[in-house]
Amino acid sequence: EDQVTQSPEALRLQEGESSSLNCSYTVSGLRGLFWYRQDPGKGPEFLFTLYSAGEEKEKERLKATLTKKESFLHITAPKPEDSATYLCAVEGVTGGGNKLTFGTGTQLKVEL
Amino acid sequence: DAGVTQSPTHLIKTRGQQVTLRCSPKSGHDTVSWYQQALGQGPQFIFQYYEEEERQRGNFPDRFSGHQFPNYSSELNVNALLLGDSALYLCASSTWSAVGGYTFGSGTRLTVV
Repeated sequence: EDQVTQSPEALRLQEGESSSLNCSYTVSGLRGLFWYRQDPGKGPEFLFTLYSAGEEKEKERLKATLTKKESFLHITAPKPEDSATYLCAVEGVTGGGNKLTFGTGTQLKVEL
Repeated sequence: DAGVTQSPTHLIKTRGQQVTLRCSPKSGHDTVSWYQQALGQGPQFIFQYYEEEERQRGNFPDRFSGHQFPNYSSELNVNALLLGDSALYLCASSTWSAVGGYTFGSGTRLTVV
């Protein structure tokens, strides 16, 4: 059974204070690892897909990296508008694929 | 370009009642998945529909059922509602043949009282 563990559960940063969010996973054959951003009461908003160890992707102040056991979401010089819950999910080959297994998320608060 | 549309946005039901939630997928997508997200938790996979058939199912009881129509839209039905069914129900559309590419709707907030 695919499993995803995210840490920390909550993170409070000052504006401009860079940090990283962690996503540890176990999966029988990784088809893809996904990062989403979720604002309160809204659906998850897609950020990145990573397919294989060593892959990196960037978007504005965010950078996602992937190893065989974990992924990191690095946030550089965050702004208050980056405050949200960040979800990590994996899609594995077992069970026919096409199913996401999510972690519980990291709730990020960026303060002025 | 319309994304995933879910209705209604909010719903209050009484224990024991039945509820139907609706989802219209993003244009070009043929697969619909449903997720349940309890407060403070990550989304949990309920089931997935492609070509009007249930293709995969998560660890949810038979009280949860669904349907997909020829136009790819989908319904989620929950019978005999329990207080624990209170959650945000998310619909995600995708293309069956592709990895990832999921687009989520804004969800339906169901409250069971």
